[in-house]
Amino acid sequence: GAGVSQSPSNKVTEKGKDVELRCDPISGHTALYWYRQSLGQGLEFLIYFQGNSAPDKSGLPSDRFSAERTGGSVSTLTIQRTQQEDSAVYLCASSPQGAGYTIYFGEGSWLTVV
Amino acid sequence: DQQVKQNSPSLSVQEGRISILNCDYTNSMFDYFLWYKKYPAEGPTFLISISSIKDKNEDGRFTVFLNKSAKHLSLHIVPSQPGDSAVYFCAARGDGGATNKLIFGTGTLLAVQP
Repeated sequence: GAGVSQSPSNKVTEKGKDVELRCDPISGHTALYWYRQSLGQGLEFLIYFQGNSAPDKSGLPSDRFSAERTGGSVSTLTIQRTQQEDSAVYLCASSPQGAGYTIYFGEGSWLTVV
Repeated sequence: DQQVKQNSPSLSVQEGRISILNCDYTNSMFDYFLWYKKYPAEGPTFLISISSIKDKNEDGRFTVFLNKSAKHLSLHIVPSQPGDSAVYFCAARGDGGATNKLIFGTGTLLAVQP
């Protein structure tokens, strides 16, 4: 597709379980971001990938959160031992290198931890 | 520490009138500012941006104003339409870090009344 694709669109999981969220960026975009939005909150930066550079992980809230980007394209955000406060919409975005600073978001993965 | 602040959580405007959404920031190193619009259950979409070397950028009904001395920017929508009803996020880039991550405000919910 032409846009950023995320899956699953909705996920309900039990507290303590691990979850994986997938992001397929726009073809050719070298930069990939993960943000999350908790209920009533703004967009919280989690992690940023740019080409082959080391990712900026400064926004990950705890060591239960990790992300990978394989082959410079698809990314997976993994949350281990989920907690109720992890419930949020997780948004992936991508941008083309050298094309300014506009980033393009997917529709998000809605995670509910019960 | 919230570097980008949107102090009005909501705004209600009559159709045809002007909507003014405000955003304040604290980091003088920000060099690029963007506004995103978000409808429920969708990802944010880019609306308009402005470089720190400018004080105004206009695109159709949307105009963004930047006052660097006050560390303040605003989004003007005129005339407002019911379809403009959404959450508007202000974002800033260039916090002195090594990456292109955008830092977002908490958003303002705009309701345009027919």
